[in-house]
Amino acid sequence: KQEVTQIPAALSVPEGENLVLNCSFTDSAIYNLQWFRQDPGKGLTSLLLIQSSQREQTSGRLNASLDKSSGRSTLYIAASQPGDSATYLCAVTNTGNQFYFGTGTSLTVIP
Amino acid sequence: EAGVAQSPRYKIIEKRQSVAFWCNPISGHATLYWYQQILGQGPKLLIQFQNNGVVDDSQLPKDRFSAERLKGVDSTLKIQPAKLEDSAVYLCASSYAQGLSQYFGPGTRLTVT
Repeated sequence: KQEVTQIPAALSVPEGENLVLNCSFTDSAIYNLQWFRQDPGKGLTSLLLIQSSQREQTSGRLNASLDKSSGRSTLYIAASQPGDSATYLCAVTNTGNQFYFGTGTSLTVIP
Repeated sequence: EAGVAQSPRYKIIEKRQSVAFWCNPISGHATLYWYQQILGQGPKLLIQFQNNGVVDDSQLPKDRFSAERLKGVDSTLKIQPAKLEDSAVYLCASSYAQGLSQYFGPGTRLTVT
């Protein structure tokens, strides 16, 4: 069974800092990996989706990378802002179309 | 484009009672998912539909949980009877097809007392 781990569980940074969130998965036979953002009391918002054949995806200040062979993905956030404060979740779809979420990283950006 | 709709947003029931949640996916999305998210944890997939057929329900506690997606559009998730450990947020998501980006509704927060 696929296991998805996110480290750290919580992170607090001053505004303007660049930061990296980590996601690791145990089974490299994945179809894609997706990063989500979850605000308190709300549903999830998709940020980036990386297909298994891709190495990275970028959207604005966000860059996600994927190293399938080592079972790792990173989400890089440039020039962090207080509005980036949220929980960030990664999720993998394995080749059997089963979907697994990590436990998330709670990010706080301090003004 | 309207997003995924869910109702109710909040529900409080006593253990052993029954409850039902409703989800209306984005128009045209063939795939629909129900997740359970317990406080402090990532969402756990309960059931996945492709149109009105079940693709994966391996993590659905079938002795008390049931779900249906009649006509391949709206879906309902039912719990009967509820237990204390069912207290969680129940999220519905949809995607145009399997493996594509999922779009989530706001969720239903269930409290079982």
